[in-house]
Amino acid sequence: AQSVTQLDSQVPVFEEAPVELRCNYSSSVSVYLFWYVQYPNQGLQLLLKYLSGSTLVESINGFEAEFNKSQTSFHLRKPSVHISDTAEYFCAVTTNTGFQKLVFGTGTRLLVSP
Amino acid sequence: KAGVTQTPRYLIKTRGQQVTLSCSPISGHRSVSWYQQTPGQGLQFLFEYFSETQRNKGNFPGRFSGRQFSNSRSEMNVSTLELGDSALYLCASSLMPGGPNEQYFGPGTRLTVT
Repeated sequence: AQSVTQLDSQVPVFEEAPVELRCNYSSSVSVYLFWYVQYPNQGLQLLLKYLSGSTLVESINGFEAEFNKSQTSFHLRKPSVHISDTAEYFCAVTTNTGFQKLVFGTGTRLLVSP
Repeated sequence: KAGVTQTPRYLIKTRGQQVTLSCSPISGHRSVSWYQQTPGQGLQFLFEYFSETQRNKGNFPGRFSGRQFSNSRSEMNVSTLELGDSALYLCASSLMPGGPNEQYFGPGTRLTVT
């Protein structure tokens, strides 16, 4: 079975500061990794994904994440955050078994203040 | 292209009643998955449907059931509602089943059981 750990339940940061949201996973088979963002009273939006190939993946709004197989991590980073980045961020994993099931971490609430 | 739609958006039910939630996937998407989101348990996988067949089910009691129609629309039903069933129920669709296929989430149905 797979599992995802997001150790930080909440990360406060000032606007324009860098941020890193940590994600570690556990799996006995190959995985696909995702970061989703959830704004208040909304569903989940895919931020970025790692399927294969380059271990560094980027989103269109400045976030990036690096897949580290040896450390079983997929940390999310942004060099300069905006107020609008305030949201809850979920790391998720699924496998190449042919099923669609996503296993989510408990989420990290990013709080950006001016 | 319209996104995933879920109806109703909000629902209040009494313990012991049953409820049916509806999900319309993105046009052309044939795989639908359901998730339950609660403050205590986080995001948990309920079911996955493809070609009107349930392919995978999460660890939920038999009171939770679902189905998929020939047009890929899906419904989930919860019978004999309990207070603990209060949650945000999210539906996600993808072109095909399988880990690498991106899942697009709807806004969710917020169910409150009193």
